[in-house]
Parts: sequence; structure tokens; C-alpha cells
Amino acid sequence: AQSVTQLDSHVSVSEGTPVLLRCNYSSSYSPSLFWYVQHPNKGLQLLLKYTSAATLVKGINGFEAEFKKSETSFHLTKPSAHMSDAAEYFCVVTDSGTYKYIFGTGTRLKVLA
Amino acid sequence: DAGVTQSPTHLIKTRGQHVTLRCSPISGHKSVSWYQQVLGQGPQFIFQYYEKEERGRGNFPDRFSARQFPNYSSELNVNALLLGDSALYLCASSLTTPGTPNTEAFFGQGTRLTVV
Repeated sequence: AQSVTQLDSHVSVSEGTPVLLRCNYSSSYSPSLFWYVQHPNKGLQLLLKYTSAATLVKGINGFEAEFKKSETSFHLTKPSAHMSDAAEYFCVVTDSGTYKYIFGTGTRLKVLA
Repeated sequence: DAGVTQSPTHLIKTRGQHVTLRCSPISGHKSVSWYQQVLGQGPQFIFQYYEKEERGRGNFPDRFSARQFPNYSSELNVNALLLGDSALYLCASSLTTPGTPNTEAFFGQGTRLTVV
């Protein structure tokens, strides 16, 4: 069965410092993995996706994620945090042939001035 | 191009009432999915429709139902509302069914339902 574990419910960083949001997944087959961001009172916006091409995926706003099959991880990183990055981030998994996305519980990122 | 549009954006209902939420997918998208997001949690899958047929249903009671119309828009209906149904209801649109390689879902802004 598919599942996603986001290892931190809250992360605080100072503006200009690196961001690391951790995600581990469980999947039976060949997964597709996504990171979505949700700003307050907004819908979900796709940051990046992994679909079995390059293991290092680049997304919008300077975010990256690396797919590591041996560690079943898909951690999200950014070299330098900006105040506008403060939001809730969701790691999502789906399998080929399925019809739904499985969301993690979310990580709330706080960026300190 | 318009994104995924949902209506209404907010509504307040009383316990026991019925509610209908609406979603218009991105033009050309044939798949619509519904998710419930309770405060402080990740979205939970409710339904998925593709080409007007239900392709998947999450672990929700029969009070929840949905349908997809010939123009690919969709409605989510909830009967006999409970306080626990208070949540943000998100609609997602995609070209094909989620899980098809290289398919990504685009989400609407959601409908905030409050049951009192």
C-alpha cells in the first residue's frame, strides 16, 4: 500500500539559509512523487514532480528534490529561504495504474527575518 | 487560460442539511478528483471521475456522492451534514487519471465548508 511520511510537522529557518523538508514514501510499484505548496487560504500549487526520469528534480522558485529509491526518500531543498516561502508543504505519492494521490500530513515552513 | 474553478468559496450550513459543491476543470481535462482537507491535516481522497465515470472512491460514508457532467464539470454532494464535515474541499483536474505517468493534478482554491 502507498503511504507518505513527512518527518517534520514544523520547520523554522532564517531568511537566506537553506531549507530541507523531509519525506519518506512507501510504494508497491513505480511511484510518481510530487511536492505541493499551500499558502494560507489558497489552493495547492505544484512545486515539482518526479516521474522516473532524472532523480534530481528542479521545480519552481528555486526548489529541488532528489529521489532516492534505496532510502525511499524524496526530500525537498532550497539553497536560500525567502520570506515568501513561508507556507505548508505537502509530499504526495501515486502509483502507476492507481487513481488517487496520497498526501503526507504536511510541513509548515516558517521563515524568520 | 482559466485554472480550476470551484464554487462557492465559502459556505455555512447547519447540521442535517445538504450541500452541493461545484468544480469546473481546466479546459481539455477529462479527470476530476475531490479531496477533503480538515484543518491541520493533508487532503484525503474522496472521489475520482474520468470521462464521466466514477473510477475511484475513498473511505467516506454514503452521505458523500458526486457526478461528472458531459462538459467534464463536477458536483460533490454531501447529505445529512455533520460537524465533522467542516473542512476545505478541494477539486483537482488532470488530463488523464492520476497515476498515469507524467500526469499532474491542478487544484482549485477550494470550498471552505463550515457546519454549525
